[in-house]
Amino acid sequence: KAGVTQTPRYLIKTRGQQVTLSCSPISGHRSVSWYQQTPGQGLQFLFEYFSETQRNKGNFPGRFSGRQFSNSRSEMNVSTLELGDSALYLCASSLEGQGVYSYNEQFFGPGTRLTVL
Amino acid sequence: AQSVTQLDSQVPVFEEAPVELRCNYSSSVSVYLFWYVQYPNQGLQLLLKYLSGSTLVKGINGFEAEFNKSQTSFHLRKPSVHISDTAEYFCAVFNTNAGKSTFGDGTTLTVKP
Repeated sequence: KAGVTQTPRYLIKTRGQQVTLSCSPISGHRSVSWYQQTPGQGLQFLFEYFSETQRNKGNFPGRFSGRQFSNSRSEMNVSTLELGDSALYLCASSLEGQGVYSYNEQFFGPGTRLTVL
Repeated sequence: AQSVTQLDSQVPVFEEAPVELRCNYSSSVSVYLFWYVQYPNQGLQLLLKYLSGSTLVKGINGFEAEFNKSQTSFHLRKPSVHISDTAEYFCAVFNTNAGKSTFGDGTTLTVKP
């Protein structure tokens, strides 16, 4: 089975621009979660999508948004980029996602490294 | 609110020596516990997990961890490390009430020859 794929792997943008990152989950997985990884803040949860609906959300401003398509592929969008948005953005997929009292193992993609100049 | 503290940001160790990476957590609700490994320019890979049952959990690559509820710890151990174990290791807790995971800041393990 192919793993989680993320495109592009590297991206350079300037302040004020917007960016869209893509994640293709493992075949059959219906949940996709997004994380931001920075040296200063570590790994922080952005949001989770399940069956095209956002099911969970972290503490990020509205500039960060996402969506999921019917084939479970997900995109993440960041508008009005700031220098502090420079990070490794990781996507993780799981069969059913993380629900109350239930846990499904997450499989992570290699990430997209975003640099904002 | 829950939090995860990895007590050492960097752990240097010689090849074939034992290693322990420490993780403490705080949570007012029941949690599941995990250790992940991240190699350079890669995503996270699950090493092992504790959901219930035996408090000693064995994972891949010869790693094991022990869940200690009274001390709220989940330390990762390996009796003999290899150069290839050099990587960053993350401890994570899953809040069963909120359905969310919280990660520690990571421990960089460097294995020297």
